[in-house]
Amino acid sequence: KNQVEQSPQSLIILEGKNCTLQCNYTVSPFSNLRWYKQDTGRGPVSLTIMTFSENTKSNGRYTATLDADTKQSSLHITASQLSDSASYICVVTNTGGFKTIFGAGTRLFVKA
Amino acid sequence: NAGVTQTPKFRILKIGQSMTLQCTQDMNHNYMYWYRQDPGMGLKLIYYSVGAGITDKGEVPNGYNVSRSTTEDFPLRLELAAPSQTSVYFCASSYYGTSGTSTDTQYFGPGTRLTVL
Repeated sequence: KNQVEQSPQSLIILEGKNCTLQCNYTVSPFSNLRWYKQDTGRGPVSLTIMTFSENTKSNGRYTATLDADTKQSSLHITASQLSDSASYICVVTNTGGFKTIFGAGTRLFVKA
Repeated sequence: NAGVTQTPKFRILKIGQSMTLQCTQDMNHNYMYWYRQDPGMGLKLIYYSVGAGITDKGEVPNGYNVSRSTTEDFPLRLELAAPSQTSVYFCASSYYGTSGTSTDTQYFGPGTRLTVL
């Protein structure tokens, strides 16, 4: 069964600290993996996208990694800011068929 | 560009009522999607369209209908509202090229919060 699981479910960190969010998937055959940021009351916004051959992708303070062998991805946030408080969603798409699976997200709270 | 716009932002329906959620994009994207997001759950695909005149069911299509008469518009119709359809609805669009490898990024609207009582 195609699934995307994210951990932790929620996370509280202090402003300025780093954090890492995890994503495990069983979607097959794999096409690409994306991380989205969703602010409260808003639609998701794309942060990074990685295909099978890519194992790291950065977007400012956000760095995503992908291990296609173990089917794991992580999103590392450096020097967190209050504006990083949001849900972070891992999304995996398969090839061939039109199948995109969304994880339930990690809710990040950054406190001053 | 306004991107993806959705109306209304909020709506309360009574059981059995009907309504249409509007979605418009001005990026000339060929793919459009409708999702629902329930609390603590991942987005679920309701319907999608790969171009004007072409629509197909997603993961949770029951109770909904769509049409795609133009590239820009992709309305979602609820015919007989039920409490189980209480959710936040997101419309999204993307451009899918013909290179064979999909790296399309979906652009989302702000969402419509629907409550069925």
